[in-house]
Amino acid sequence: SQELEQSPQSLIVQEGKNLTINCTSSKTLYGLYWYKQKYGEGLIFLMMLQKGGEEKSHEKITAKLDEKKQQSSLHITASQPSHAGIYLCGAVTPGYALNFGKGTSLLVTP
Amino acid sequence: DAGITQSPRYKITETGRQVTLMCHQTWSHSYMFWYRQDLGHGLRLIYYSAAADITDKGEVPDGYVVSRSKTENFPLTLESATRSQTSVYFCASSESGSGGHPKNIQYFGAGTRLSVL
Repeated sequence: SQELEQSPQSLIVQEGKNLTINCTSSKTLYGLYWYKQKYGEGLIFLMMLQKGGEEKSHEKITAKLDEKKQQSSLHITASQPSHAGIYLCGAVTPGYALNFGKGTSLLVTP
Repeated sequence: DAGITQSPRYKITETGRQVTLMCHQTWSHSYMFWYRQDLGHGLRLIYYSAAADITDKGEVPDGYVVSRSKTENFPLTLESATRSQTSVYFCASSESGSGGHPKNIQYFGAGTRLSVL
């Protein structure tokens, strides 16, 4: 079965700093999804990447799927307290559900 | 309200009791999913459904039962709750794309936090 490993597990950054979260798959990725979860709440869809080399941006968040399609990165530029939460990557399974990584917890300090 | 809603948001029950968690979506999405989220395990799929009256097991289905008599509802029942089923449960839905496959953007409910004492 496919395993998704996220790194780092947790991150504390100062407001205004940039950061990167990685998601590495044990198998080729045919679709990679990034979600954000605020503490105690549901998951909010951020971005979907389907092609190797694809890069998408939304506000200050950029996600990229590498050419070999086994890793994705999520980059936040000039972090803000509103970016705090848990970031999860998910990959499509043959049954069309999502297989998730364990998440990266982000805290942004003033 | 439009969207996907779960009820109750919080539930405390005792071991051996039957508990049903409700999930309702207003988009008429074909696909619906139940996940549980636990520290150290992340999100794991319990059951999913491709359409009304079509359900299938996920990674951790033991001890759970689902039904889907209507497209918009996908209840999850714990037949005899155990302490190991203490968790946060998330329901999600997804549109069907070409060929009947989902479009893969899954929209999640706010979750139900269940404690089994």
